[in-house]
Amino acid sequence: GESVGLHLPTLSVQEGDNSIINCAYSNSASDYFIWYKQESGKGPQFIIDIRSNMDKRQGQRVTVLLNKTVKHLSLQIAATQPGDSAVYFCAENGATDSWGKLQFGAGTQVVVTP
Amino acid sequence: EADIYQTPRYLVIGTGKKITLECSQTMGHDKMYWYQQDPGMELHLIHYSYGVNSTEKGDLSSESTVSRIRTEHFPLTLESARPSHTSQYLCASSVGTDYGYTFGSGTRLTVV
Repeated sequence: GESVGLHLPTLSVQEGDNSIINCAYSNSASDYFIWYKQESGKGPQFIIDIRSNMDKRQGQRVTVLLNKTVKHLSLQIAATQPGDSAVYFCAENGATDSWGKLQFGAGTQVVVTP
Repeated sequence: EADIYQTPRYLVIGTGKKITLECSQTMGHDKMYWYQQDPGMELHLIHYSYGVNSTEKGDLSSESTVSRIRTEHFPLTLESARPSHTSQYLCASSVGTDYGYTFGSGTRLTVV
């Protein structure tokens, strides 16, 4: 079946550098995408979302890029800080018969080193 | 501030016991979900509900059951806990199909 997947399971980033987390999706019917951050022992928290009528959206220190041609989503974190260490999940709203269920990727562990 | 609450946060229980994990939200969301997640692993949908008296099984088979008698409340029950049920259980809610989920903090269950 169609699914959402991440390219890198673990990303090690030096403090102050920019992070890029990638996500490949295969469901061309998806028109809404979200990035979540999950810190150890907590539930996932919403970071930023993007709809398919956009290719870029910016938040505070984060930018999401959507390339519908190659079905690719990325999250960029500027000036990575120790507090950014977490697992990051991408999610898509899937096909029209998904009944509102988000499809989550496997997750990328981001480790920020001093 | 969390508008979706899960209790207990941690639970250690013996094999064969019946347990209920509580989830309540104050946002008036119709859609609610239960996910199972092992540490550092992906999220697996086990149950969802689109409103009162509506419940469906998710993508991952689970021996648990759920009920939705009130909009704000979506408890998950295990009739007979087993060590294989040891995991983190996350509850979430949503206002619509094109909006994100709000997650609770989770219940970490250990069955000994």
